Amino acid sequence: AQSVTQLDSQVPVFEEAPVELRCNYSSSVSVYLFWYVQYPNQGLQLLLKYLSGSTLVKGINGFEAEFNKSQTSFHLRKPSVHISDTAEYFCAVSENSGYSTLTFGKGTMLLVSP
Amino acid sequence: DARVTQTPRHKVTEMGQEVTMRCQPILGHNTVFWYRQTMMQGLELLAYFRNRAPLDDSGMPKDRFSAEMPDATLATLKIQPSEPRDSAVYFCASGVRGVVTDTQYFGPGTRLTVL
Repeated sequence: AQSVTQLDSQVPVFEEAPVELRCNYSSSVSVYLFWYVQYPNQGLQLLLKYLSGSTLVKGINGFEAEFNKSQTSFHLRKPSVHISDTAEYFCAVSENSGYSTLTFGKGTMLLVSP
Repeated sequence: DARVTQTPRHKVTEMGQEVTMRCQPILGHNTVFWYRQTMMQGLELLAYFRNRAPLDDSGMPKDRFSAEMPDATLATLKIQPSEPRDSAVYFCASGVRGVVTDTQYFGPGTRLTVL
């Protein structure tokens, strides 16, 4: 069975600073990887996904993530954050099998201050 | 801009009452997922449908929860009887099978409070 670990429950950062949100996964088979963002009192919105091909994936709102198979990681990065990026970010994994269920990490709260 | 819709957005009820949550998936999507989000457990998959057929409901307490898709435009999640520990935000997501996997699109959620 797959699992996802998001190492940081909260990441405080100042506006315009770079940020990295960490995600590690565990699986016995190949996987697909996703990052979702949840703004307060809203549903989850897909930021980006890795299915195959280039290990550097670009998403919406200036975010990108890099798949590292040897380190079983899929860290999310943004070179310069805005106040509006304050939200909870979820990493999720889906195994390469007939079913496509997602297993989510516990989430990382990104807190951007002026 | 196609979206998943969920009703009601908020529900407060008393223990023992029946609760029904509804989800309208994005038109053309053939997979529907139900999740529950709590502070303690995070996001948990409750049930999963493809082409209206249940594929996996192992995450759902069978004695009180039931999930159905009466038609392609409606998915329902029922709790009977409800208990205070069912208080959570319930999300519906819909998806369509791509080349290798589904990409899931989430609704805004139903916030359930059971007193």
